[in-house]
Order: sequence, then structure tokens, then C-alpha cells
Amino acid sequence: DSGVTQTPKHLITATGQRVTLRCSPRSGDLSVYWYQQSLDQGLQFLIQYYNGEERAKGNILERFSAQQFPDLHSELNLSSLELGDSALYFCASSTTSDTQYFGPGTRLTVL
Amino acid sequence: GQNIDQPTEMTATEGAIVQINCTYQTSGFNGLFWYQQHAGEAPTFLSYNVLDGLEEKGRFSSFLSRSKGYSYLLLKELQMKDSASYLCAVRESSGNMLTFGGGTRLMVKP
Repeated sequence: DSGVTQTPKHLITATGQRVTLRCSPRSGDLSVYWYQQSLDQGLQFLIQYYNGEERAKGNILERFSAQQFPDLHSELNLSSLELGDSALYFCASSTTSDTQYFGPGTRLTVL
Repeated sequence: GQNIDQPTEMTATEGAIVQINCTYQTSGFNGLFWYQQHAGEAPTFLSYNVLDGLEEKGRFSSFLSRSKGYSYLLLKELQMKDSASYLCAVRESSGNMLTFGGGTRLMVKP
């Protein structure tokens, strides 16, 4: 158990819908990272937040957004969902420039 | 940008030793990580190298050569539970962002 929690574990929704994925980092970690893992793309970095502010952006679509709240938990919002958005979404956390520890992931299925 | 290559699949026998290679090309380098991932589960941290040389941690060791853009993960005394994907990831010189390779799926056979 890494200490990073994610909810929900599974999410099934329809095309065009919007969902919110939630992540709580390890105690004391200020950085949160979001990754997408699909079968054909591997693990892709989406976005990083540090102490409430966006720190780095990867291959994140404009339909996706994220934020980190004062209590350091983070949410990833996915809108106008498409079939191709079906994937595992992982959150990871770290101290300032340290090893990233991953949560158990949310499996999103778009039908 | 970064380009990270590792073999897609490998097979080894229980009790044996296996070496998983990773080569990378990057504009800035600030460390290389190895993670283990069982199917459908979270990646778990195995090792970290930022300087050249070998880091040993029990049955697992990781090696880095920055001049060659090369790393390997060595797994000794293979066990069936070592069947998993092994992900090589490079951290950029700015920030803490990781770029992952496609992963190597290791199958351990009796």
C-alpha cells in the first residue's frame, strides 16, 4: 500500500458524459501527478500540481482538467468523453523532487 | 523530448537471472527509475539511479551509464511472483516529471 488513495476504483459511463476522478496523496506529499495508461499507449504523464498550483503539463487534452485543493487532494475532470478515453488513470504523489508513489488507479470504461 | 526503449516481452525460468535493458535519449536527465507493475495494478517503485554505477537492493539491482544513455534492471533468483511488467522511466532535468518507456512484460516459467 503506497499511501495514495484514489476513488472510484471503477467507472463506467457513456460517450459525451463528464466524470471526476479523485486522489488523496500520501501524508506530507505536496506534489500530485496524473497519468493515463491505455493498452496501446503505455503510461502517459498528464499533469502535475504542487501545493495547489499547476507545475507541469504533459499530453493532456483540452477536454481534461485538474486541480489541487488546499487539503492537497486532487481531482481530474474528464469531459465530452470518447471511446478512446477508456483507460486506467493513476495518481501519484511525491515530496518536492523525490520518488513518485502511485495510487491503485481508476479504471474508466466509456461505452 | 525524450525517447525510451525497452524490449516488449521477455521469458525466463524460475530461479534464474534476467536482465531487462532500457536505452534513452533525452535533452535533460535527472535520474532513472524502475517500477514493477502487475496487470491492472499500480506501478510500484523498485529502484532509482542518478549517478553511473550499480545500485543493489536485495534480489534486484539497477545499473546506469549516463554517457551511453543506458540502464538495466537485474533480477536474481527469479520467483513466479516476479511475472509482471517492468517500466523504465526518465526524469527530466527540470521538474519531477517522468517519461515512461512502454514496459517489458516478463514471464517467469517453472
